[in-house]
Amino acid sequence: DVKVTQSSRYLVKRTGEKVFLECVQDMDHENMFWYRQDPGLGLRLIYFSYDVKMKEKGDIPEGYSVSREKKERFSLILESASTNQTSMYLCASSSPSSPNSGNTIYFGEGSWLTVV
Amino acid sequence: RKEVEQDPGPFNVPEGATVAFNCTYSNSASQSFFWYRQDCRKEPKLLMSVYSSGNEDGRFTAQLNRASQYISLLIRDSKLSDSATYLCVVNIGYGGSQGNLIFGKGTKLSVKP
Repeated sequence: DVKVTQSSRYLVKRTGEKVFLECVQDMDHENMFWYRQDPGLGLRLIYFSYDVKMKEKGDIPEGYSVSREKKERFSLILESASTNQTSMYLCASSSPSSPNSGNTIYFGEGSWLTVV
Repeated sequence: RKEVEQDPGPFNVPEGATVAFNCTYSNSASQSFFWYRQDCRKEPKLLMSVYSSGNEDGRFTAQLNRASQYISLLIRDSKLSDSATYLCVVNIGYGGSQGNLIFGKGTKLSVKP
């Protein structure tokens, strides 16, 4: 069974703290993604990576950075958390081998971050 | 970035009803299309792909109209367990070999007994 694991499901952090959200996939996928999802705004892409040590900005990268040191792991970093970063964060992975890559994207269960 | 638009709902229907969701996309170069289902406080999961010829999976039928840039999802004989948010997803095909997925904001369905 395919698996994308987000180790932290629920976090409460203070404004200004550095926050790490970790994501691991066991499918040997090349591509990994970080989204955030907010009511009324849908899923918004923060960053994605198509290879180890490679990263690309998504729609809303400001205030975030990422790290992909190993193929299976993609970390999202909030250098200095702010209250407007309170959200649900979804990690996903996919393989580029399918011409219709939408049907090979798998999501983790989500990380609920509250910044106070 | 071009958008994918859906009616946010909520659609409140009785069990057994037929319900249809619509989605429009603005990028005519879009290559592939999908419906995802997302339960409350859960991650999105693929429901079905959408093909130009239309496709059916049990009570679910998806249609694509490329000329009108329009996608639909029809649910027949709706069940309580169909209650969820349905996301329209479009692959616009660039952004590396993996393509680039654009998610609609979702349509919420609530099926009542």
